[in-house]
Amino acid sequence: AIQMTQSPSSQSASVGDRVTITCRASQDIGNELGWYQQKPGRAPKLLIYAASTLQTGVPSRFSGTGSGTDFTLTISSLQPEDFASYYCLQDANYPRTFGQGTKVEIK
Amino acid sequence: EVQLVESGGGLVQPGGSLRLSCEASGFTFSSYWMTWLRQAPGKGLEWVANIRRDATKIYYADSVKGRFTISRDNAKNSLFLQMNSLRVDDTALYYCARDYSPQILGAFYDAFDMWGQGTMVTVSS
Repeated sequence: AIQMTQSPSSQSASVGDRVTITCRASQDIGNELGWYQQKPGRAPKLLIYAASTLQTGVPSRFSGTGSGTDFTLTISSLQPEDFASYYCLQDANYPRTFGQGTKVEIK
Repeated sequence: EVQLVESGGGLVQPGGSLRLSCEASGFTFSSYWMTWLRQAPGKGLEWVANIRRDATKIYYADSVKGRFTISRDNAKNSLFLQMNSLRVDDTALYYCARDYSPQILGAFYDAFDMWGQGTMVTVSS
């Protein structure tokens, strides 16, 4: 199975900060990667698919880049509602695999 | 209203079985791949299994292969997960999710755009 290594595991940030989360795949997955946001007690929400395509309705402050093995989720200006956990998910091969998650906390 | 509603979770002893259900409404269920995912308490997300629109393709995580069976009934807009030989480490909140499989330049991608609220499975003696 493809291993997804996500970093950092947690990050403290302030409103207005630029936040970057990275995900590294154990093998080339092209652009077959998605990003999900999860708030406590809630189901995950799709943010980005195909590494860089913003899901409809997701604010433009979220962006995704990368291909091959290295990917990045960037929040350009952190908003109060963005404090949450974020997960990458590879959909290049079965079984699908998630990164371990990144918790973005209030500094 | 467009929604997914899971049910069937509960407390079961190691080695036991449970059958989860996910009832879909508000969209054409038969047009979508469907997926089960889970999240152990305080842990990250884990993809469990998925099933093609017509059930002709099914895939499983290594951790559940041979023990879990995913199925669907398009006439009843329902997705199922039969879980046998349950282990303590199967304890988790189980979600069903819709994959709308967007296509870009001829390639299809997973995109879980709709999730249920989850049903809790606890495996304990």
